Amino acid sequence: AAGVIQSPRHLIKEKRETATLKCYPIPRHDTVYWYQQGPGQDPQFLISFYEKMQSDKGSIPDRFSAQQFSDYHSELNMSSLELGDSALYFCASSLSAGGPGETQYFGPGTRLLVL
Amino acid sequence: AQTVTQSQPEMSVQEAETVTLSCTYDTSESDYYLFWYKQPPSRQMILVIRQEAYKQQNATENRFSVNFQKAAKSFSLKISDSQLGDAAMYFCAYRSTGTASKLTFGTGTRLQVTL
Repeated sequence: AAGVIQSPRHLIKEKRETATLKCYPIPRHDTVYWYQQGPGQDPQFLISFYEKMQSDKGSIPDRFSAQQFSDYHSELNMSSLELGDSALYFCASSLSAGGPGETQYFGPGTRLLVL
Repeated sequence: AQTVTQSQPEMSVQEAETVTLSCTYDTSESDYYLFWYKQPPSRQMILVIRQEAYKQQNATENRFSVNFQKAAKSFSLKISDSQLGDAAMYFCAYRSTGTASKLTFGTGTRLQVTL
């Protein structure tokens, strides 16, 4: 079965640079979520989109922005990168009318390292 | 806001034995969903099992089962016949009802499986 695709899988950036992370949800899934997982920590919710509209917002820095496009893929744009942004960034997708808890299925993550 | 607590940072179990991971949560909502996710060394987030709060019957998926005590706000995971491949970080997660609701994770329990 098709899974959530994230690209790139690994990214190395310098401080103050920008980065764009992409997420391709499972086909027919209409909801996308972004999470940030720091070293040794649990995933923290950043932002979600349902039918291309922002649905919920968590602890996402103002330096970050995201959107969901007409084909339902999503991009997380990160500017003025800081050392503390080094983390694993997960995208998850779900089908809003999918039943039991609208289960979120996670992609493999993008490992961002800021030097 | 909802909180999820996993009080066991690390657990160890011998192969073929049974282990129980604990999770408690705090919420004022009457309907919600609970999940256990597994994160192996690859750091992929893999859904293990889910429970709808309105269901009294405990969820079961092969060797994995839960003990859901709604009044006590407790949601423990039992792994039977433990296998080496079960070694991972296990996260308990809470999700409100409603479209595009985020997951709130506990801090995780690292499970070690020994021969």
